[in-house]
Amino acid sequence: GESVGLHLPTLSVQEGDNSIINCAYSNSASDYFIWYKQESGKGPQFIIDIRSNMDKRQGQRVTVLLNKTVKHLSLQIAATQPGDSAVYFCAENSGGSYIPTFGRGTSLIVHP
Amino acid sequence: KAGVTQTPRYLIKTRGQQVTLSCSPISGHRSVSWYQQTPGQGLQFLFEYFSETQRNKGNFPGRFSGRQFSNSRSEMNVSTLELGDSALYLCASSYQGTGGPDTQYFGPGTRLTVL
Repeated sequence: GESVGLHLPTLSVQEGDNSIINCAYSNSASDYFIWYKQESGKGPQFIIDIRSNMDKRQGQRVTVLLNKTVKHLSLQIAATQPGDSAVYFCAENSGGSYIPTFGRGTSLIVHP
Repeated sequence: KAGVTQTPRYLIKTRGQQVTLSCSPISGHRSVSWYQQTPGQGLQFLFEYFSETQRNKGNFPGRFSGRQFSNSRSEMNVSTLELGDSALYLCASSYQGTGGPDTQYFGPGTRLTVL
């Protein structure tokens, strides 16, 4: 079946750098996308979402970009901090489905 | 509002036993979904309940079952536990109004270890 995947399993950055985590999706009917952050020993935490009628959405230090032409989603974290170290998941909903499909996750490691 | 809560947080069982996990959704949320998370398989969808009815089901054997109560609280049960059932079990709730899919909010999970 169609799935959501991630380009990089691990991303290492220096504190203060900007981080970009990428996600590719294959279902052209996907119309709602979410990014989650999961710290060790905790459940996934909602970060930001975007619907398919938008190309960009900004939150506090985070920006999500959606490129529907190439079916690509990215999460940008500005001025990355050690507390941003976690696994980041993208998820997508398509065609009115109530159940999102999750990617396998990217581990972000921030070095002080 | 209080977040999604799950009990117990940790559980150790032996093969062949059964286990029941509990989830209390965010107040006002009517949909509860359950996921199994393992290092090798990632997040895998078990089932979703809405208004006390199972609305969606993943590809898990019948040993995995669940239910939802009138107050939206949910339980999942695993019977005849196998070593491979060791995992983090996550519950997620969402409002699920009429406007299409809503954001799912996760609880902290129950870490199940089967010996």
